[in-house]
Amino acid sequence: DTGVSQDPRHKITKRGQNVTFRCDPISEHNRLYWYRQTLGQGPEFLTYFQNEAQLEKSRLLSDRFSAERPKGSFSTLEIQRTEQGDSAMYLCASSSGTTQETQYFGPGTRLLVL
Amino acid sequence: GNSVTQMEGPVTLSEEAFLTINCTYTATGYPSLFWYVQYPGEGLQLLLKATKADDKGSNKGFEATYRKETTSFHLEKGSVQVSDSAVYFCALSGSARQLTFGSGTQLTVLP
Repeated sequence: DTGVSQDPRHKITKRGQNVTFRCDPISEHNRLYWYRQTLGQGPEFLTYFQNEAQLEKSRLLSDRFSAERPKGSFSTLEIQRTEQGDSAMYLCASSSGTTQETQYFGPGTRLLVL
Repeated sequence: GNSVTQMEGPVTLSEEAFLTINCTYTATGYPSLFWYVQYPGEGLQLLLKATKADDKGSNKGFEATYRKETTSFHLEKGSVQVSDSAVYFCALSGSARQLTFGSGTQLTVLP
């Protein structure tokens, strides 16, 4: 068990470009979550998957955002036509899906849109 | 909807002082409650949790008790250390599974 990993750890991009982040959950965890954290705030929920099914999306997840988990293992989060307001830390978490589950977080991907 | 309100920081204490960080919540049903900690340059780590009323979560000398009557989950430690300097987040998980976080409290412990 190596924990949740995320790649890249840092990303700088220009406004209007597309970016994609990857999350590898703890093996055998069937739930995977994406959160966004801006400076000085707590993380905010974006979306979650149970296996390969995307079960819930926050209203924070605009049409420019898309997430996938094609084989129920790793997940990708893509932001199209990035805006400066997208600058944030993007966090991934996974859980076993059992009752009273605990979510385990990755180190995050810090995005800066210039 | 669900919400978490926690004591605003920053909080600065001397080593061996007593720590309390207040956290109250609003939720439907019976949420699980969590404290996560974020050390400088690191990701969020679970510190402790409680899943039902009157449960006490504890870890590394930190404690918090799930108080349904006051909808609170205050974090306490009897004697803080410099290594406890971090940002602490209170969070809840309701029927919708995702976590709802407070805004975080920055703790600095001085030697």
